[in-house]
Amino acid sequence: GAGVSQSPSNKVTEKGKDVELRCDPISGHTALYWYRQSLGQGLEFLIYFQGNSAPDKSGLPSDRFSAERTGGSVSTLTIQRTQQEDSAVYLCASSADTNSNQPQHFGDGTRLSIL
Amino acid sequence: AQTVTQSQPEMSVQEAETVTLSCTYDTSESDYYLFWYKQPPSRQMILVIRQEAYKQQNATENRFSVNFQKAAKSFSLKISDSQLGDAAMYFCAYRSGLHASGGSYIPTFGRGTSLIVHP
Repeated sequence: GAGVSQSPSNKVTEKGKDVELRCDPISGHTALYWYRQSLGQGLEFLIYFQGNSAPDKSGLPSDRFSAERTGGSVSTLTIQRTQQEDSAVYLCASSADTNSNQPQHFGDGTRLSIL
Repeated sequence: AQTVTQSQPEMSVQEAETVTLSCTYDTSESDYYLFWYKQPPSRQMILVIRQEAYKQQNATENRFSVNFQKAAKSFSLKISDSQLGDAAMYFCAYRSGLHASGGSYIPTFGRGTSLIVHP
Protein backbone atom coordinates (compact mmCIF):
# COMPACT_ATOMS: atom_id res chain seq x y z
CA GLY A 1 0.00 0.00 0.00
CA ALA A 2 0.93 3.66 -0.28
CA GLY A 3 0.69 4.51 3.43
CA VAL A 4 2.60 3.72 6.60
CA SER A 5 1.89 0.18 7.72
CA GLN A 6 2.18 -1.00 11.31
CA SER A 7 1.85 -4.49 12.70
CA PRO A 8 0.39 -5.97 14.71
CA SER A 9 -2.68 -3.80 15.01
CA ASN A 10 -3.25 -5.02 18.55
CA LYS A 11 -1.01 -6.92 20.93
CA VAL A 12 -1.90 -8.36 24.29
CA THR A 13 0.87 -9.89 26.32
CA GLU A 14 1.79 -10.78 29.86
CA LYS A 15 3.95 -8.63 32.04
CA GLY A 16 7.59 -9.54 31.69
CA LYS A 17 7.40 -10.72 28.10
CA ASP A 18 9.26 -9.07 25.23
CA VAL A 19 7.35 -7.51 22.33
CA GLU A 20 8.33 -6.38 18.87
CA LEU A 21 6.39 -3.74 16.97
CA ARG A 22 6.92 -3.23 13.28
CA CYS A 23 6.66 -0.18 11.05
CA ASP A 24 6.87 -0.12 7.28
CA PRO A 25 7.15 3.51 6.11
CA ILE A 26 6.11 5.06 2.85
CA SER A 27 8.50 4.05 0.12
CA GLY A 28 11.27 6.61 -0.30
CA HIS A 29 10.75 8.29 3.06
CA THR A 30 14.08 8.55 4.79
CA ALA A 31 12.81 9.81 8.14
CA LEU A 32 10.91 7.54 10.50
CA TYR A 33 9.50 8.38 13.93
CA TRP A 34 8.12 6.40 16.83
CA TYR A 35 5.65 7.90 19.29
CA ARG A 36 3.72 6.59 22.24
CA GLN A 37 0.19 7.70 22.99
CA SER A 38 -1.25 6.83 26.36
CA LEU A 39 -4.96 7.08 27.07
CA GLY A 40 -6.08 10.71 26.99
CA GLN A 41 -2.58 11.97 26.33
CA GLY A 42 -0.82 13.61 23.43
CA LEU A 43 2.00 12.08 21.50
CA GLU A 44 5.16 11.25 23.40
CA PHE A 45 8.22 11.21 21.12
CA LEU A 46 10.36 8.09 21.49
CA ILE A 47 12.96 7.98 18.73
CA TYR A 48 13.53 8.95 15.13
CA PHE A 49 15.65 7.59 12.32
CA GLN A 50 17.25 9.40 9.44
CA GLY A 51 18.09 6.52 7.13
CA ASN A 52 19.33 3.72 9.36
CA SER A 53 20.81 5.93 12.05
CA ALA A 54 19.01 7.24 15.11
CA PRO A 55 20.39 10.71 15.94
CA ASP A 56 17.94 11.26 18.74
CA LYS A 57 17.08 8.50 21.21
CA SER A 58 16.29 10.91 24.01
CA GLY A 59 12.65 9.96 24.19
CA LEU A 60 13.13 6.29 24.96
CA PRO A 61 11.67 5.87 28.47
CA SER A 62 14.13 3.26 29.69
CA ASP A 63 16.80 0.81 28.56
CA ARG A 64 14.07 -1.77 28.06
CA PHE A 65 13.16 0.09 24.89
CA SER A 66 15.21 -0.20 21.72
CA ALA A 67 14.64 0.33 18.04
CA GLU A 68 16.38 -0.45 14.85
CA ARG A 69 15.94 0.23 11.19
CA THR A 70 17.50 -1.72 8.39
CA GLY A 71 17.82 -0.96 4.72
CA GLY A 72 16.45 2.50 5.32
CA SER A 73 13.00 1.02 5.37
CA VAL A 74 11.32 -1.19 7.97
CA SER A 75 11.80 -0.37 11.63
CA THR A 76 11.14 -2.45 14.71
CA LEU A 77 10.55 -1.14 18.21
CA THR A 78 11.36 -3.71 20.87
CA ILE A 79 10.22 -3.56 24.47
CA GLN A 80 11.88 -6.03 26.79
CA ARG A 81 10.44 -7.27 30.08
CA THR A 82 7.21 -5.37 29.52
CA GLN A 83 5.52 -3.56 32.39
CA GLN A 84 1.90 -2.51 32.76
CA GLU A 85 2.84 1.14 32.28
CA ASP A 86 4.01 0.24 28.77
CA SER A 87 0.37 -0.20 27.76
CA ALA A 88 -0.36 2.42 25.11
CA VAL A 89 -0.82 2.95 21.40
CA TYR A 90 2.51 3.06 19.60
CA LEU A 91 2.41 5.22 16.49
CA CYS A 92 4.91 5.28 13.67
CA ALA A 93 5.25 8.09 11.16
CA SER A 94 7.44 8.79 8.19
CA SER A 95 8.35 11.86 6.21
CA ALA A 96 10.46 12.60 3.16
CA ASP A 97 13.26 13.66 5.50
CA THR A 98 13.72 15.60 8.70
CA ASN A 99 15.06 18.69 7.00
CA SER A 100 11.84 19.72 5.39
CA ASN A 101 8.51 21.25 6.05
CA GLN A 102 6.76 18.15 4.89
CA PRO A 103 4.24 16.73 7.31
CA GLN A 104 4.51 13.32 8.85
CA HIS A 105 2.40 10.48 7.56
CA PHE A 106 1.17 8.23 10.32
CA GLY A 107 0.29 4.58 10.52
CA ASP A 108 -2.75 3.22 12.34
CA GLY A 109 -0.69 2.35 15.38
CA THR A 110 -0.26 -0.74 17.49
CA ARG A 111 -2.37 -0.94 20.63
CA LEU A 112 -0.26 -2.70 23.25
CA SER A 113 -1.93 -4.10 26.34
CA ILE A 114 0.15 -5.56 29.15
CA LEU A 115 -1.75 -7.85 31.50
CA ALA B 1 12.25 23.90 24.21
CA GLN B 2 8.99 24.58 22.49
CA THR B 3 5.67 23.85 24.11
CA VAL B 4 2.22 23.50 22.59
CA THR B 5 -0.90 24.02 24.66
CA GLN B 6 -4.43 23.01 23.79
CA SER B 7 -6.56 24.34 26.60
CA GLN B 8 -9.82 22.64 25.56
CA PRO B 9 -9.86 18.92 26.36
CA GLU B 10 -13.28 18.62 24.73
CA MET B 11 -15.51 20.69 22.47
CA SER B 12 -19.01 20.14 21.13
CA VAL B 13 -20.70 21.48 18.04
CA GLN B 14 -24.01 20.99 16.27
CA GLU B 15 -23.90 19.59 12.79
CA ALA B 16 -23.64 22.37 10.16
CA GLU B 17 -22.40 24.90 12.69
CA THR B 18 -18.94 26.36 13.18
CA VAL B 19 -16.46 25.52 15.92
CA THR B 20 -13.03 26.89 16.80
CA LEU B 21 -10.32 24.86 18.51
CA SER B 22 -7.58 26.79 20.25
CA CYS B 23 -3.84 26.22 20.29
CA THR B 24 -1.07 28.34 21.72
CA TYR B 25 2.64 27.71 21.62
CA ASP B 26 5.80 29.04 23.14
CA THR B 27 8.95 29.54 21.09
CA SER B 28 11.84 31.92 20.61
CA GLU B 29 12.24 30.91 16.98
CA SER B 30 11.03 32.93 14.03
CA ASP B 31 11.13 30.14 11.47
CA TYR B 32 8.72 27.31 12.14
CA TYR B 33 5.70 25.41 10.92
CA LEU B 34 2.40 24.68 12.60
CA PHE B 35 0.09 21.78 11.89
CA TRP B 36 -3.33 20.52 12.83
CA TYR B 37 -3.83 16.75 12.77
CA LYS B 38 -7.07 14.83 13.10
CA GLN B 39 -7.18 11.42 14.80
CA PRO B 40 -10.49 9.57 14.35
CA PRO B 41 -11.28 6.41 16.31
CA SER B 42 -9.42 4.44 13.68
CA ARG B 43 -6.29 5.94 15.28
CA GLN B 44 -4.58 7.10 12.11
CA MET B 45 -3.40 10.69 12.40
CA ILE B 46 -4.34 12.68 9.33
CA LEU B 47 -2.96 16.09 8.43
CA VAL B 48 -5.74 18.68 8.30
CA ILE B 49 -3.88 21.88 7.61
CA ARG B 50 -0.47 23.49 8.00
CA GLN B 51 0.89 27.02 8.27
CA GLU B 52 4.33 28.42 7.60
CA ALA B 53 5.25 31.05 10.18
CA TYR B 54 6.68 33.41 7.58
CA LYS B 55 3.35 33.57 5.74
CA GLN B 56 0.94 36.18 7.01
CA GLN B 57 -2.00 34.76 5.11
CA ASN B 58 -4.04 32.24 7.05
CA ALA B 59 -4.09 28.74 5.55
CA THR B 60 -7.40 27.29 4.40
CA GLU B 61 -8.41 23.83 3.25
CA ASN B 62 -12.04 23.64 2.22
CA ARG B 63 -14.08 23.84 5.46
CA PHE B 64 -10.96 24.13 7.61
CA SER B 65 -9.15 27.39 8.22
CA VAL B 66 -6.74 28.74 10.77
CA ASN B 67 -6.41 32.02 12.61
CA PHE B 68 -2.65 32.44 12.92
CA GLN B 69 -1.64 35.23 15.28
CA LYS B 70 2.16 35.14 15.30
CA ALA B 71 2.69 37.87 17.87
CA ALA B 72 0.25 36.20 20.24
CA LYS B 73 1.65 32.73 19.38
CA SER B 74 -1.83 31.49 18.71
CA PHE B 75 -2.93 29.03 16.03
CA SER B 76 -6.63 28.22 16.23
CA LEU B 77 -8.52 25.91 13.89
CA LYS B 78 -11.96 26.83 12.60
CA ILE B 79 -14.21 24.13 11.22
CA SER B 80 -17.15 25.48 9.23
CA ASP B 81 -20.33 23.56 8.39
CA SER B 82 -19.36 20.80 10.81
CA GLN B 83 -20.10 17.24 9.74
CA LEU B 84 -20.51 14.06 11.72
CA GLY B 85 -17.29 12.79 10.18
CA ASP B 86 -15.39 15.65 11.78
CA ALA B 87 -15.76 14.00 15.18
CA ALA B 88 -12.23 13.09 16.29
CA MET B 89 -9.29 14.13 18.42
CA TYR B 90 -7.52 17.15 17.01
CA PHE B 91 -3.84 17.75 17.72
CA CYS B 92 -1.90 20.93 17.20
CA ALA B 93 1.80 20.51 16.41
CA TYR B 94 4.88 22.73 16.14
CA ARG B 95 8.01 22.05 14.13
CA SER B 96 11.17 24.10 13.77
CA GLY B 97 11.86 25.45 10.33
CA LEU B 98 14.78 24.68 8.04
CA HIS B 99 16.66 27.76 9.13
CA ALA B 100 16.02 27.56 12.83
CA SER B 101 19.29 27.59 14.69
CA GLY B 102 19.55 24.73 17.14
CA GLY B 103 15.95 23.83 16.63
CA SER B 104 14.73 20.28 16.77
CA TYR B 105 13.00 18.90 13.74
CA ILE B 106 10.98 16.62 15.97
CA PRO B 107 7.44 17.98 16.09
CA THR B 108 5.99 18.93 19.43
CA PHE B 109 2.34 17.99 19.88
CA GLY B 110 -0.34 19.37 22.15
CA ARG B 111 -2.46 17.03 24.28
CA GLY B 112 -5.37 17.19 21.91
CA THR B 113 -8.99 18.36 21.85
CA SER B 114 -11.81 15.87 21.49
CA LEU B 115 -14.46 17.22 19.11
CA ILE B 116 -18.00 15.92 19.46
CA VAL B 117 -20.46 16.62 16.66
CA HIS B 118 -24.14 16.41 17.50
CA PRO B 119 -26.66 15.59 14.75
